Amino acid sequence: DQQVKQNSPSLSVQEGRISILNCDYTNSMFDYFLWYKKYPAEGPTFLISISSIKDKNEDGRFTVFLNKSAKHLSLHIVPSQPGDSAVYFCAARDYGQNFVFGPGTRLSVLP
Amino acid sequence: DAGVTQSPTHLIKTRGQHVTLRCSPISGHKSVSWYQQVLGQGPQFIFQYYEKEERGRGNFPDRFSARQFPNYSSELNVNALLLGDSALYLCASSLVSPTGQETQYFGPGTRLLVL
Repeated sequence: DQQVKQNSPSLSVQEGRISILNCDYTNSMFDYFLWYKKYPAEGPTFLISISSIKDKNEDGRFTVFLNKSAKHLSLHIVPSQPGDSAVYFCAARDYGQNFVFGPGTRLSVLP
Repeated sequence: DAGVTQSPTHLIKTRGQHVTLRCSPISGHKSVSWYQQVLGQGPQFIFQYYEKEERGRGNFPDRFSARQFPNYSSELNVNALLLGDSALYLCASSLVSPTGQETQYFGPGTRLLVL
């Protein structure tokens, strides 16, 4: 049973446009969510997080939105740059427990 | 500042052998977690250690074990290796904030190939 789902294995976006990566979860006890970016041959790099008491968190070009009633979060990247091309993982945590990762979405930003 | 470091970077073993993977956390981080990532999937949680005590264990067989040392570095041991243990093994260290929020920072991983 996948508690964290990323239903789009891949996404292609034109440089300068918005990238929207989606993530759905099933465990209503998750209280903290994170997005990681991973380049080949490197470990995941932390991008941005959001607590369940918020519905939006913004950091530069990256914004994460959380819809608790729908158990859905999304990562918006505006404007997208070729260097953003990577695999993006959504992760969630049940307080006091451990992190659960989604399977990832491969983003390709085309010049 | 040095990030999370892992050694070795690559490793080739044969079925039935034993392997030890090592991790040094970011300075000041007292928690270390281990993950297994197979191709096409997200990292799967194996263990978390905090202050040298096991804090959590994922759904992995007893062939997998770990420990944390007084300097907060950690080892992951896998006995009786199977072909299916071939994966990227990731170590992450974290610092829990007073609000309870925790961000894990990952090392580059050790790629294990079991033949």
